[in-house]
Amino acid sequence: ILNVEQSPQSLHVQEGDSTNFTCSFPSSNFYALHWYRWETAKSPEALFVMTLNGDEKKKGRISATLNTKEGYSYLYIKGSQPEDSATYLCALNNNDMRFGAGTRLTVKP
Amino acid sequence: GAGVSQTPSNKVTEKGKYVELRCDPISGHTALYWYRQSLGQGPEFLIYFQGTGAADDSGLPNDRFFAVRPEGSVSTLKIQRTERGDSAVYLCASSMNRYNEQFFGPGTRLTVL
Repeated sequence: ILNVEQSPQSLHVQEGDSTNFTCSFPSSNFYALHWYRWETAKSPEALFVMTLNGDEKKKGRISATLNTKEGYSYLYIKGSQPEDSATYLCALNNNDMRFGAGTRLTVKP
Repeated sequence: GAGVSQTPSNKVTEKGKYVELRCDPISGHTALYWYRQSLGQGPEFLIYFQGTGAADDSGLPNDRFFAVRPEGSVSTLKIQRTERGDSAVYLCASSMNRYNEQFFGPGTRLTVL
């Protein structure tokens, strides 16, 4: 069983700050790592799908990296905005999908 | 185009009753997943369908839970003899195949009194 750990559990930043959070996993035995953004009362929205060690993906102010050898992925948000406030979920796609508990980000104006 | 839809959006039932939760995936998506999300937790995997067959049902908590996808499109999650601990948001997601990003529905909030 792949246990997916996310840290921190919650994060409060000021508008304009850049921030990052971590998804860690004990084994590289998975097909892909997914990042999702989940706003309250909405469906989780896919951000990135990453498969290879060293993968780097970017979408606007948000980017992610994957290091399968050391067992982590980072999600970065540059110049946080209040609309970035959400829970960011990491999941490993193997035969099933294992989600972490998420990092709840609050961006204060 | 239409996204993943789930019905009902909310379901309140009494302990011991039977419930069915429905998921309409995006047309053409062969992979369909069911998850359960409890307060403060990430989504917990329940079952994955590839086409009509359950490719992995290892996440179903016990034999009161069952899911079908008879025509490879719509799926129904069935819960027998509901218990208060079954109260959660049940999410459905679909994808082109198991390796692609998943598109989630809005969820069904189940409350067992």
